[in-house]
Amino acid sequence: EDQVTQSPEALRLQEGESSSLNCSYTVSGLRGLFWYRQDPGKGPEFLFTLYSAGEEKEKERLKATLTKKESFLHITAPKPEDSATYLCAVTTSGTYKYIFGTGTRLKVLA
Amino acid sequence: DAGVTQSPTHLIKTRGQQVTLRCSPKSGHDTVSWYQQALGQGPQFIFQYYEEEERQRGNFPDRFSGHQFPNYSSELNVNALLLGDSALYLCASSDLRKDTQYFGPGTRLTVL
Repeated sequence: EDQVTQSPEALRLQEGESSSLNCSYTVSGLRGLFWYRQDPGKGPEFLFTLYSAGEEKEKERLKATLTKKESFLHITAPKPEDSATYLCAVTTSGTYKYIFGTGTRLKVLA
Repeated sequence: DAGVTQSPTHLIKTRGQQVTLRCSPKSGHDTVSWYQQALGQGPQFIFQYYEEEERQRGNFPDRFSGHQFPNYSSELNVNALLLGDSALYLCASSDLRKDTQYFGPGTRLTVL
């Protein structure tokens, strides 16, 4: 069965303390991997799409990378406004649905 | 450029009732997907609509049904509501030629 696992479940960082979030996946025929940011009670906000192992995407303090088994979301020098839940999702060949992980709740302290 | 919009924002129903949620896709998008997100969980795929047809369905009972209109907007209907249907319902739109889905703000459904 296709599965997406995110770790850690929760992460507390001091402002400026860089770290990485992990998304590991077990799927048949990965077509794409997606990162979203979700604030409490809101819809997920799109961050990145990755398609191939070795691919990297950057946006401000965030950088996403992809290997054949997992993806990392690196947060460099985070600020309190980066506090949110970060969701990872995958699509596989022959389907249209996203399979989501349960997310990492990030709290950045000033 | 308007993003994905959903209505209503919040809804309270009682067990056994029926509910209809609405979604307007992002401009230029022709595909709409619906997801259910329980508290503390990732979104779960309900179904996807394209060209007014249900293209794929997740593991949800027949109580969950949908519709897509010629202007690409969509509705999600849930019959015979159960307490366990309480969740945030998310609509996402995409362009058929691309994989990336863009989500709306969601509708918070509470079943009492």
